[in-house]
Amino acid sequence: DTAVSQTPKYLVTQMGNDKSIKCEQNLGHDTMYWYKQDSKKFLKIMFSYNNKELIINETVPNRFSPKSPDKAHLNLHINSLELGDSAVYFCASSPNLPIAGAFTGELFFGEGSRLTVL
Amino acid sequence: SQQGEEDPQALSIQEGENATMNCSYKTSINNLQWYRQNSGRGLVHLILIRSNEREKHSGRLRVTLDTSKKSSSLLITASRAADTASYFCATDDMRFGAGTRLTVKP
Repeated sequence: DTAVSQTPKYLVTQMGNDKSIKCEQNLGHDTMYWYKQDSKKFLKIMFSYNNKELIINETVPNRFSPKSPDKAHLNLHINSLELGDSAVYFCASSPNLPIAGAFTGELFFGEGSRLTVL
Repeated sequence: SQQGEEDPQALSIQEGENATMNCSYKTSINNLQWYRQNSGRGLVHLILIRSNEREKHSGRLRVTLDTSKKSSSLLITASRAADTASYFCATDDMRFGAGTRLTVKP
């Protein structure tokens, strides 16, 4: 079984559309993340949720809205897609929060969802 | 917040050679991690080193941490073509940089 699964793997859409990417983890982890990897491979954290509570919210346009129905799922909804949103989006999970002295060390990543906005 | 910054951006070596990649960061940390990303795949955790550790080994991987210089290095010994990938470091708050792209030529 895949530990962290994302759907869809590929998504091609027109500017202005609204789309969602879903993520599920079966590891029993409390914390989930969304990352964006651009064409230069820079990996930027977008959001982090712990037990359905938003913990990290980077400077991300309001068009991006994460939703966590339960601690095993963290979906990413994007409104009014723009050309600059084209990237690979990665979901990840970890057993607990990366806080001082308590972090057990490992993020588990999904295989990524490649979004292309035309 | 801070992120690790990897150096060099790209590294090309022959099979059997050693590969060294560096990571710098700006503020104090509790731990630092290294990850690997194969082309078109997600990141995979390699090793974590805590701020009170100076060196850690895992198979052909050797990680060092110098908190006074705010830097870490990842050494891959006796490299193989299968080591070709991008390598990323991450600090406490799980922020990454752009990685080092390693190419190992057979």
